[in-house]
Amino acid sequence: DAGITQSPRYKITETGRQVTLMCHQTWSHSYMFWYRQDLGHGLRLIYYSAAADITDKGEVPDGYVVSRSKTENFPLTLESATRSQTSVYFCASSLSGVETQYFGPGTRLLVL
Amino acid sequence: DQQVKQNSPSLSVQEGRISILNCDYTNSMFDYFLWYKKYPAEGPTFLISISSIKDKNEDGRFTVFLNKSAKHLSLHIVPSQPGDSAVYFCAAYGTSYGKLTFGQGTILTVHP
Repeated sequence: DAGITQSPRYKITETGRQVTLMCHQTWSHSYMFWYRQDLGHGLRLIYYSAAADITDKGEVPDGYVVSRSKTENFPLTLESATRSQTSVYFCASSLSGVETQYFGPGTRLLVL
Repeated sequence: DQQVKQNSPSLSVQEGRISILNCDYTNSMFDYFLWYKKYPAEGPTFLISISSIKDKNEDGRFTVFLNKSAKHLSLHIVPSQPGDSAVYFCAAYGTSYGKLTFGQGTILTVHP
């Protein structure tokens, strides 16, 4: 299917485990983004990428790692999950910048 | 430091009436503003935007107003419909800043 997809949609893990959230888009958009949504904070940018092999930190990057070896994929890894990383994670993409972004359906992550 | 603020966590409106969602920002470098709409278990979707060179932009039932001197924007929905019930996020972008900054969101409930 065309569009932007995220997997898994739901994930339960334990403190200290490594977790990878996947994001895939079929539009060949240059830009991709990872956000987390928490009550009272709205959407906060974790990392973004302007093109393959180019990534940069957002507002809340600590504890997260990203890579972008292919234009269509932008995985987000929690190297050692903590309870404070319990959240809903959204991936987004845009053609040429940040003006209008297209969001995936989200991944709900619970860290016990 | 919350640069984009939506001070009303929720808003309840009767079907057919006007819904007004408000957003304030602090960074004068923002020059483009967007509203996103989010249903439960889905990613946010783009709704309407406005450039800082305008003070109003209209798209069907949705109108966004920008007051640069007050650093305030609002989204008007007329008439409101039950299907408009969702979380609405205000977002701002500055060409020199390079990233979208989101507000906390406002939950709109439209009662039949």
